[in-house]
Amino acid sequence: NAGVTQTPKFRVLKTGQSMTLLCAQDMNHEYMYWYRQDPGMGLRLIHYSVGEGTTAKGEVPDGYNVSRLKKQNFLLGLESAAPSQTSVYFCATSDGINSPLHFGNGTRLTVT
Amino acid sequence: TQLLEQSPQFLSIQEGENLTVYCNSSSVFSSLQWYRQEPGEGPVLLVTVVTGGEVKKLKRLTFQFGDARKDSSLHITAAQPGDTGLYLCAGATITGKLIFGQGTTLQVKP
Repeated sequence: NAGVTQTPKFRVLKTGQSMTLLCAQDMNHEYMYWYRQDPGMGLRLIHYSVGEGTTAKGEVPDGYNVSRLKKQNFLLGLESAAPSQTSVYFCATSDGINSPLHFGNGTRLTVT
Repeated sequence: TQLLEQSPQFLSIQEGENLTVYCNSSSVFSSLQWYRQEPGEGPVLLVTVVTGGEVKKLKRLTFQFGDARKDSSLHITAAQPGDTGLYLCAGATITGKLIFGQGTTLQVKP
């Protein structure tokens, strides 16, 4: 039982390049989230989804896009990476609003 | 903007000492969650407190939710090196948002 799996684990991009982060869950949770974690700033919500085919903006959505075509997958895209997007990205799932979150192990992204 | 202030941000103590981490806000939360995160991994839920004044114990960890549901504390008794990690509190608002504190990095030296 894998839980929440994020790929890739590490990535280095040059400014202006694009990439997609994949989150896959086998917990059958409706809610999925993308957070970024930066030193001293806690976890900040980028986008979230309350079910297959739905997405919504979080606290810091600019520069990111998401898609939830299948219930088990939540994709985070960076169309034109910027150094300010250097961060650790976490995917999380929950079975209800404000329910405890189940996190993946993160993707460390560096944009040079 | 709703904020959850977590303190201290860093704590380095010797094995066997006690410590307390605080989360404070001017906002009321419907519940408060505490997570622990180890390097290279995602946060893992420790406990959720729901009722004002509630106290929950998890071995040497004691969690308390303030009477007004605006603050919470985590007390660790006789800290062990295995307690080392990043501790995060997260408040659930009545509008359906989850607000995270900045985190407390705890180092317990043997």
